[in-house]
Amino acid sequence: RKEVEQDPGPFNVPEGATVAFNCTYSNSASQSFFWYRQDCRKEPKLLMSVYSSGNEDGRFTAQLNRASQYISLLIRDSKLSDSATYLCVVLVLNAGNNRKLIWGLGTSLAVNP
Amino acid sequence: DTGVSQDPRHKITKRGQNVTFRCDPISEHNRLYWYRQTLGQGPEFLTYFQNEAQLEKSRLLSDRFSAERPKGSFSTLEIQRTEQGDSAMYLCASSLGGLGEKLFFGSGTQLSVL
Repeated sequence: RKEVEQDPGPFNVPEGATVAFNCTYSNSASQSFFWYRQDCRKEPKLLMSVYSSGNEDGRFTAQLNRASQYISLLIRDSKLSDSATYLCVVLVLNAGNNRKLIWGLGTSLAVNP
Repeated sequence: DTGVSQDPRHKITKRGQNVTFRCDPISEHNRLYWYRQTLGQGPEFLTYFQNEAQLEKSRLLSDRFSAERPKGSFSTLEIQRTEQGDSAMYLCASSLGGLGEKLFFGSGTQLSVL
């Protein structure tokens, strides 16, 4: 089982739709959680951190469920410009007390006119 | 521009040649990461530095790969005796560290090994 798993998609949605992505993680020692966005042939960019209480940034809402070990990203009123790959990232504590970032393979979103 | 910069943006080389990439992180960031990414895959961790110390190196990284960060500022990644399987985007990222660990990426170096 991969340490961080995402549905690769693609998710094809019309403009204005609401779309949600889930990401599951296997390491219960995971400490911090992030969503990154990556456009085709560009570098990843931090979209938002994910907090236990859930957090919202405009049309984007991220939530964390530690009991079930998953995080989610909800995009409301999707725009054409939201088309991208969304990468789930988990920070875990290694043996030796080293922190390590584990990346999912990403979920592809295509918003259609 | 005070972001992470990488040089070159593109590199085409013949199999067996050595290549070196450079990364200049955001100046106040003490952590620097190297990743490799191929199309349709997430970033694959290669190595990271805390200041000038190389703290971790992926087991996937063969001994043909070496990275340095001599003064805790810029970093170089060298690949010796390149193989076609080395063709990928090489991404550098920096962060302030801590539990936040928010990474800022450079635009990457696209390597093509012929």
